[in-house]
Amino acid sequence: DTAVSQTPKYLVTQMGNDKSIKCEQNLGHDTMYWYKQDSKKFLKIMFSYNNKELIINETVPNRFSPKSPDKAHLNLHINSLELGDSAVYFCASSQMDRGSNSPLHFGNGTRLTVT
Amino acid sequence: QKEVEQNSGPLSVPEGAIASLNCTYSDRGSQSFFWYRQYSGKSPELIMSIYSNGDKEDGRFTAQLNKASQYVSLLIRDSQPSDSATYLCAVKAGTASKLTFGTGTRLQVTL
Repeated sequence: DTAVSQTPKYLVTQMGNDKSIKCEQNLGHDTMYWYKQDSKKFLKIMFSYNNKELIINETVPNRFSPKSPDKAHLNLHINSLELGDSAVYFCASSQMDRGSNSPLHFGNGTRLTVT
Repeated sequence: QKEVEQNSGPLSVPEGAIASLNCTYSDRGSQSFFWYRQYSGKSPELIMSIYSNGDKEDGRFTAQLNKASQYVSLLIRDSQPSDSATYLCAVKAGTASKLTFGTGTRLQVTL
């Protein structure tokens, strides 16, 4: 199926641990994103990569490090996890060269719980 | 001032009625406007996009855009219980700019 897929779906870990979330899209899009959705459902962009190049880097702690090995993959590594990192992390993709009209396609989300 | 503002709700409408969801944005340079629907525990899914002033209709959904007033709305006609979800307004300024979301309006369609 054509989609944006991310793993794992659920991630429960303790404070101080390091974890990674992986994302892959087979839609042929050139741009990928990480969004964080907090408990109040506010969806906030963290990073965006266009053809493996970082183009959006919001004010995010440097414990968060994205990595895009190719334009179909975007991973998120989080060091020294904190309680406040608990949220749902969504990966998304779009085709930038179609202009600002290109909508985002979201993955199913990774629910991260830090205890 | 938030970049994209929505009333968090819940907005409660009876089945068969028209649900009206509103959104205002602060960036006058915004060019593209989207409405996403998010069911509880699921990912956002695109339901409407609009780029020029006026109305755009797709089935039971109508998006309305007024750039002078920096206002975009979504009307859902003949509301169904399956329409109960959080509706996210999203705004984009240009090709390489980020898509900024509002906090969403929770819609409840009652029987």
